[in-house]
Amino acid sequence: DGGITQSPKYLFRKEGQNVTLSCEQNLNHDAMYWYRQDPGQGLRLIYYSQIVNDFQKGDIAEGYSVSREKKESFPLTVTSAQKNPTAFYLCASSIGATKGTQYFGPGTRLLVL
Amino acid sequence: ELKVEQNPLFLSMQEGKNYTIYCNYSTTSDRLYWYRQDPGKSLESLFVLLSNGAVKQEGRLMASLDTKARLSTLHITAAVHDLSATYFCAADPAGANNLFFGTGTRLTVIP
Repeated sequence: DGGITQSPKYLFRKEGQNVTLSCEQNLNHDAMYWYRQDPGQGLRLIYYSQIVNDFQKGDIAEGYSVSREKKESFPLTVTSAQKNPTAFYLCASSIGATKGTQYFGPGTRLLVL
Repeated sequence: ELKVEQNPLFLSMQEGKNYTIYCNYSTTSDRLYWYRQDPGKSLESLFVLLSNGAVKQEGRLMASLDTKARLSTLHITAAVHDLSATYFCAADPAGANNLFFGTGTRLTVIP
C-alpha cells in the first residue's frame, strides 16, 4: 500500500537534546513538507522540499533542521534551540513542485520532559 | 503574505440541520483545498477546487469556490454525528511553493 509513515508516534525530549522525527513516503512524490500544529491551532509550515538535496524554510524554521538525501525520506530534527517544541508534527507530500493535493502522515506528538 | 480565515472557528449544531463554513483568503489562489481532521489524528483530503465556480460534493458535504470573491464554502446538509471533526481549508496562491492553511473550524454535531 502506498502512503506516508511517520515515526515515532510519541517522542519525549529532554532539555538541551536534539531529536529527529522520521518521515517516509512510497508515493513517488517529489515534494515533501513538515508542519507544526499546536493545540486548537492551524498548521504552520516549518520546511519543505521540492526535490532531492534541496529544501526551503517555511514560516517557523528557527530551531529546526531537515535533510533530503533520498526522494522517499525527509527527516526533521528538532534542535535544542527550539525552546517550545511541544506540538503535533505532521509530514506531508505532494506529487510535484507544482503542488497539488498534499497527503499527510499520521503525525508525531513531541513532548518535553 | 497570504492570510486564510475561516469562520466560524467553533460550530455546534444539531443532527439534521444545515450549516455553512466559510473560508476567505487574501490573495489570488490557483486552487483551494478542504481537509478533515479527527481529534488526535492526521489530516484527510476532502476536496480540491480547481477553478472559479467549481463545486464538489461527497455525501453530506459540498464545497464551492468563488475566486473573484476569494471565498470558498463548505456546506453541510442534514448533519450527522460522524461529521464531528475539525475542517481546514488551504489556499494555493499563485507563485508560492506551498499551501496556506486556515485556522480550522471545529464542528460538533449534537444528537
